[in-house]
Amino acid sequence: NAGVTQTPKFQVLKTGQSMTLQCAQDMNHEYMSWYRQDPGMGLRLIHYSVGAGITDQGEVPNGYNVSRSTTEDFPLRLLSAAPSQTSVYFCASSRTGSHEQYFGPGTRLTVT
Amino acid sequence: AQSVTQLDSHVSVSEGTPVLLRCNYSSSYSPSLFWYVQHPNKGLQLLLKYTSAATLVKGINGFEAEFKKSETSFHLTKPSAHMSDAAEYFCVVRASGAGSYQLTFGKGTKLSVIP
Repeated sequence: NAGVTQTPKFQVLKTGQSMTLQCAQDMNHEYMSWYRQDPGMGLRLIHYSVGAGITDQGEVPNGYNVSRSTTEDFPLRLLSAAPSQTSVYFCASSRTGSHEQYFGPGTRLTVT
Repeated sequence: AQSVTQLDSHVSVSEGTPVLLRCNYSSSYSPSLFWYVQHPNKGLQLLLKYTSAATLVKGINGFEAEFKKSETSFHLTKPSAHMSDAAEYFCVVRASGAGSYQLTFGKGTKLSVIP
């Protein structure tokens, strides 16, 4: 049982490049979400999903796309990276009715 | 809508002295409240949670928090700080209700422990 895994751990992009941050969980959790963490800002919700085929926007969705084709995977796509997207990204998952969310180890992204 | 205010961005204590990290919340519904800890360059770990049961909640590593509805507060305490407690702490609120999973984070309190 690996919990929530994220790849890559580190990534450097140039402005305008695209990439996908991967998130997977092996706990059969219905709910998954993406957050970004910036200094002094706490974590802010980007997108979330309550099950396969269902996604919705969080507090800061602009510049990011998500899809949920399986219960296990919830990738986050940056279509055209901008320096403002330099951040640490966390994926989390939770089962229905549970109060606890499980967080992945994070991806540190730098956009130059 | 819900919100969380962590009243101190940085708290410094001496090893062996008490820790108090303050958190006030705002929620339209009966909230669930959490404290998470993040050690440097690590992910987030759940310290404790309040989910409308006992108002005094005990967590891991000797931490506890008390839910005070009249004061809309959920302060985190520990009787005696240890060097390993140095980390950033986040107070988090989740609105109750079926299908409500979204978490709202405070901006964090960085705890320093002086030897």
